[in-house]
Amino acid sequence: DVVMTQSPLSLPVTLGQTASISCRSSQSLVYSDGSTYLNWFQQRPGQSPRRLIYKVSNRDSGVPDRISGIGSDTDFTLIISRVEAEDVGVYYCMQATHWPYAFGQGTKLEIK
Amino acid sequence: EVQLVESGGGLVQPGGSLRLSCATSGFAFSTYWMHWVRQAPGKGLVWVARINGDGSNTPYADSVKGRFTISRDNAKNTLYLQMNSLRVEDTAVYYCVRDQYRGPVDPWGQGTLVTVSS
Repeated sequence: DVVMTQSPLSLPVTLGQTASISCRSSQSLVYSDGSTYLNWFQQRPGQSPRRLIYKVSNRDSGVPDRISGIGSDTDFTLIISRVEAEDVGVYYCMQATHWPYAFGQGTKLEIK
Repeated sequence: EVQLVESGGGLVQPGGSLRLSCATSGFAFSTYWMHWVRQAPGKGLVWVARINGDGSNTPYADSVKGRFTISRDNAKNTLYLQMNSLRVEDTAVYYCVRDQYRGPVDPWGQGTLVTVSS
């Protein structure tokens, strides 16, 4: 099975600064159709999760453009520019290329 | 408006069974893959199972394979999760979510809490 490893697990960030979260997979996430099915999710305190990014770098509806995803093959990064108070929460990557699908452990973003 | 409402959670003893339901509205249910995702108290997200549109393909997480069964009734726009041989480690909030571009997409429901304890 594919293992997703996120780092760091805790990320204190100053308001207005940039946050970067790494996600590495134990196998290539390139599917037979040529796409890479790597998703990013945000879970704010006390709320249900929300998807931010699909297929590595595509933003879901309503996601601000200061949130972006990059990466390829086994190495992926979520970048949050100009961090705001509303960004506090836990961020998860999730691979949907191989069965069974798998989430990373989560990265807790807090304001310094 | 897309809505997903989970129900059927509760307290059950180890070894017991429970059937979760997810009533959906606001979208063409039969055309969407659907997922169950769970979250133990204070822990991370865990993907549980997925079903395709006609119910013919149903992959599972290793931790639930052989014990849980995902199914759907497209006439009722409802998703199910039959959970048998429940273990303490199955205790979690269970979310049903529809799929888009091979991943759970918003909105997520409020989830239903399953507690396995003696």
